[in-house]
Amino acid sequence: AQSVSQHNHHVILSEAASLELGCNYSYGGTVNLFWYVQYPGQHLQLLLKYFSGDPLVKGIKGFEAEFIKSKFSFNLRKPSVQWSDTAEYFCAVNAPTLGRLYFGRGTQLTVWP
Amino acid sequence: GAGVSQSPRYKVAKRGQDVALRCDPISGHVSLFWYQQALGQGPEFLTYFQNEAQLDKSGLPSDRFFAERPEGSVSTLKIQRTQQEDSAVYLCASSLGGNQPQHFGDGTRLSIL
Repeated sequence: AQSVSQHNHHVILSEAASLELGCNYSYGGTVNLFWYVQYPGQHLQLLLKYFSGDPLVKGIKGFEAEFIKSKFSFNLRKPSVQWSDTAEYFCAVNAPTLGRLYFGRGTQLTVWP
Repeated sequence: GAGVSQSPRYKVAKRGQDVALRCDPISGHVSLFWYQQALGQGPEFLTYFQNEAQLDKSGLPSDRFFAERPEGSVSTLKIQRTQQEDSAVYLCASSLGGNQPQHFGDGTRLSIL
């Protein structure tokens, strides 16, 4: 079975600091990779996705993620965070032949103005 | 446009009661997923429909859980003889199918007293 690990449960940063959230998965085959974000009081929204091709993918609001196949990782980055980035971030994977997503437990990001 | 709609947003029930949670997916989305999210955890897969066919129900935790999507649109997740451990947020997601990303509803927060 697939599993997803998010190493940081709670990250606290000041505005303009750089962000990197770790995500590792366990699965031997081809995977699709996702980062979802949940702002306070809102539903899960897709931040970015990787299916194939360039391992560096860019998403909305200045976020990017890099797929490193040899490390089974898909870390999320942003060069300069804003107060409005305060939210919970979930890494998720699925196999292309299966629709179900496997989620990490999430990382709560708090950005102080 | 309209997103995934779930009702009710909150449900409180006494242990032993039956509950029914509704999901109205995005129009035209053939795939529909149910997830359960316990406090402090990421969403966990329950079941998956493609149109009206339930293709995967391996995540349903017990035979007290039942889901249906009789006309390939609206879906209902039913929990019979609720237990305290059923308390969670139940998320519904829909997609166009294949590898298309899943769009999530706001969820139903179920509390069993």
